[in-house]
Amino acid sequence: GAGVSQSPRYKVAKRGQDVALRCDPISGHVSLFWYQQALGQGPEFLTYFQNEAQLDKSGLPSDRFFAERPEGSVSTLKIQRTQQEDSAVYLCASSPRTVVMNTEAFFGQGTRLTVV
Amino acid sequence: AQKVTQAQTEISVVEKEDVTLDCVYETRDTTYYLFWYKQPPSGELVFLIRRNSFDEQNEISGRYSWNFQKSTSSFNFTITASQVVDSAVYFCALSERSNYKLTFGKGTLLTVNP
Repeated sequence: GAGVSQSPRYKVAKRGQDVALRCDPISGHVSLFWYQQALGQGPEFLTYFQNEAQLDKSGLPSDRFFAERPEGSVSTLKIQRTQQEDSAVYLCASSPRTVVMNTEAFFGQGTRLTVV
Repeated sequence: AQKVTQAQTEISVVEKEDVTLDCVYETRDTTYYLFWYKQPPSGELVFLIRRNSFDEQNEISGRYSWNFQKSTSSFNFTITASQVVDSAVYFCALSERSNYKLTFGKGTLLTVNP
């Protein structure tokens, strides 16, 4: 597709379950970001990849959160032992250049995670 | 530390009215970038504009216009002759030359009524 694609769109998990959220960035985009958006708030940075390298994971809220982009294309955000406070929309974004350029990022529709 | 404030939580207008969404930012960097994104009910953040700190020229794109004023640290967004399809949450965001992460405001929910 032409845009950033995320799956699933909606995920309901029981507390304690592990979840995996997938992001397909725009083809050829070097940079990939994950953001977390709580209800009624703006998105907050989680982690950044330049190709396959995870250069910044300073926004990950705990060691239960793990992200990877093994081939520099598709990325997966994994949350282990989900908690209720993990409930949020998880947004993926990609950008054609490295972050040095501060270019605009193109976002997917997000995955709404609800932990019950 | 960088910060973006969108003081207007919700705005409601009638179609064809003009509406201005306010954005005030804080940063210590002399080089920074400002963005506006639109988030319709579908959830996707749609990029609208990017401006760098050295370019204070106002910009117009169709019914959209942006007023960047460094003296007041503001980057306001005006929609002229609003339409129902403009209904969405609008986010202002900032990234610094030294810190590429986007810092978003809390967003303004715009409702345009027919």
